[in-house]
Amino acid sequence: GAVVSQHPSRVICKSGTSVKIECRSLDFQATTMFWYRQFPKQSLMLMATSNEGSKATYEQGVEKDKFLINHASLTLSTLTVTSAHPEDSSFYICSASRYLTGRTGELFFGEGSRLTVL
Amino acid sequence: SQKIEQNSEALNIQEGKTATLTCNYTNYSPAYLQWYRQDPGRGPVFLLLIRENEKEKRKERLKVTFDTTLKQSLFHITASQPADSATYLCALDPFSGAGSYQLTFGKGTKLSVIP
Repeated sequence: GAVVSQHPSRVICKSGTSVKIECRSLDFQATTMFWYRQFPKQSLMLMATSNEGSKATYEQGVEKDKFLINHASLTLSTLTVTSAHPEDSSFYICSASRYLTGRTGELFFGEGSRLTVL
Repeated sequence: SQKIEQNSEALNIQEGKTATLTCNYTNYSPAYLQWYRQDPGRGPVFLLLIRENEKEKRKERLKVTFDTTLKQSLFHITASQPADSATYLCALDPFSGAGSYQLTFGKGTKLSVIP
């Protein structure tokens, strides 16, 4: 099966610092990766969609200058939370799809990254 | 407005019984619907996908139905086991099957199977 690895699984940082989260597809090439955010007892909220080699598409209300997404290769996407504040504390999850748009299928999710901003 | 509702936030069931979880949606016309399992502190894991032209789909002890008239999907776990305890999420493509892979998720139902 397809494996998506996310790192780090937990990170604690001080307010004002930047944090980078990596998402890697280990055994397939991910043409599209998605970044989600999940608060306790809430559904996963899509933050942005990234295609390899192009700019990410952000969902309404998500600040692109605060949540920097880079999808430099077919196996790696990174999310950088810049100048993090306590309200950015959340569970961030990446997912990847094998195919280009036009096909249906499941998403493969990373293990998630718990960010705590003090 | 568009909504995905999983009617029960939590469901407790006795081991060996069949668990039935409900997912209702409004103002969507999805070409398919998916179910995922999420354990605490982990990312979701794909379970089943059912297309709009399929009434029912099975995988081992799991069964999913999809009624596009009622705008509802039911997710069944037969002969439930304590290891089935988790949160189950339904998800659909909000762009009516455009194949964008963008999924919109329900809040999930936390299932607890009691030994």
